Amino acid sequence: NAGVTQTPKFQVLKTGQSMTLQCAQDMNHNSMYWYRQDPGMGLRLIYYSASEGTTDKGEVPNGYNVSRLNKREFSLRLESAAPSQTSVYFCASTGTGDNYGYTFGSGTRLTVV
Amino acid sequence: GQQLNQSPQSMFIQEGEDVSMNCTSSSIFNTWLWYKQDPGEGPVLLIALYKAGELTSNGRLTAQFGITRKDSFLNISASIPSDVGIYFCAGPNQMGGSNYKLTFGKGTLLTVNP
Repeated sequence: NAGVTQTPKFQVLKTGQSMTLQCAQDMNHNSMYWYRQDPGMGLRLIYYSASEGTTDKGEVPNGYNVSRLNKREFSLRLESAAPSQTSVYFCASTGTGDNYGYTFGSGTRLTVV
Repeated sequence: GQQLNQSPQSMFIQEGEDVSMNCTSSSIFNTWLWYKQDPGEGPVLLIALYKAGELTSNGRLTAQFGITRKDSFLNISASIPSDVGIYFCAGPNQMGGSNYKLTFGKGTLLTVNP
């Protein structure tokens, strides 16, 4: 049982380049989330998808877009990467009745130079 | 939005010592959660608290949901090297129906010296 799978694990981008972070879960969860983690800042919500076909902005959505491709997959896109987007990105999912227990992926470490 | 304040920001302890960390909120939560993040991994749920005043244990971990519903603490007894990591408190914000999103504290970084 893979849980939440994120790809890639590491990425280096030049300023202005674009890329998509992939996330897939195999637990039939309805809700999926993207967080970023920066030193001293904890985990901040970028975007979330409460169910297939819906997406909403979180706390820090600027510079990002998302796509809930199907129930399993939720991708995060950086259209024009900036150094301020250097961070560790985590995808998470949860199902109805999971009593608030998110399952997290192992993260994507992104560096923008 | 709601903010969670965790303290201390970091702790350096010797193996075998007990650890205590806490989390406070500017507003009421109906659920408190404690997560642990191992180095290079995503956070994993340790303990969930659903009722004010509730005291819950999970092995060497004990957590309490404050009576005011604005705070929670986590204790780790007899620490071991594998307790190293970042501990986060979190609380859910309802978005309608059964949907919610979690707000996380900034974390407590725990280092255990063997």
